[in-house]
Amino acid sequence: DTEVTQTPKHLVMGMTNKKSLKCEQHMGHRAMYWYKQKAKKPPELMFVYSYEKLSINESVPSRFSPECPNSSLLNLHLHALQPEDSALYLCASSPWADSNQPQHFGDGTRLSIL
Amino acid sequence: GESVGLHLPTLSVQEGDNSIINCAYSNSASDYFIWYKQESGKGPQFIIDIRSNMDKRQGQRVTVLLNKTVKHLSLQIAATQPGDSAVYFCAERTTDSWGKFQFGAGTQVVVTP
Repeated sequence: DTEVTQTPKHLVMGMTNKKSLKCEQHMGHRAMYWYKQKAKKPPELMFVYSYEKLSINESVPSRFSPECPNSSLLNLHLHALQPEDSALYLCASSPWADSNQPQHFGDGTRLSIL
Repeated sequence: GESVGLHLPTLSVQEGDNSIINCAYSNSASDYFIWYKQESGKGPQFIIDIRSNMDKRQGQRVTVLLNKTVKHLSLQIAATQPGDSAVYFCAERTTDSWGKFQFGAGTQVVVTP
C-alpha cells in the first residue's frame, strides 16, 4: 500500500467530458506533483505545487488544470482531452520541493480517452 | 541536452543470482540520485538513494554505487527473487533543479526460475 492515494484507479472518458483526478497524502509533505506516464516510458513531470502554490508548469496544455485545495489534496481537472492524452497519471509528494529527499508516488489513475 | 539513460532495456536474471542495473548520466552537477522500482499496475516505489558525496550505499539486499568520474550509477540486487521482476528507473537532480527529477529510460528486469 502506498501513502499517496489516487482516485479513481481507472477512468474512461470521451473527448467532450469533464472529469477530475484526485490525490491525497497525509505525510505532512508540502510539495506535490503530477506526472504523466506512457507505457514503457519514464514518468514525465507536468506540475509542481509547493506550499499549495503552483510552482512549475512544464508547458502543459490548458486542457489539464491542476488545483491544490490544501496541503493534503491535489486535483487534476480534465476537459476536452485528446486520444493522445491516454496514459497513467501519477501523483507524488515530498517534504519540500527543493530537498534531496525522494518523491513518494501513488499508484496512478489509468486514463483512457475515447 | 543533459540526460539520464540506461544501457540495457531488458535484463533477464535467474532466481538466486545477483542483478546489476546500470544508469549513465551526463550532468556533472547532479548531486542526488534515486532508484525506483515500478511493478505492473503500480506507481514507482522508492528503493534507495545516494548523494554525490558518497560512493556506495547499502540497503536490504540492494546496493547503489556512484562513480562520479565516469558519471555512472548502478543498482545491485542480491539473491534476486521473483518479486524483483519490475521496471527499474534511475532518477537524478541537481541542487538548482528545484523539484525536478530527470528519469532514465528504465530497465525491465525479468526473473526466471
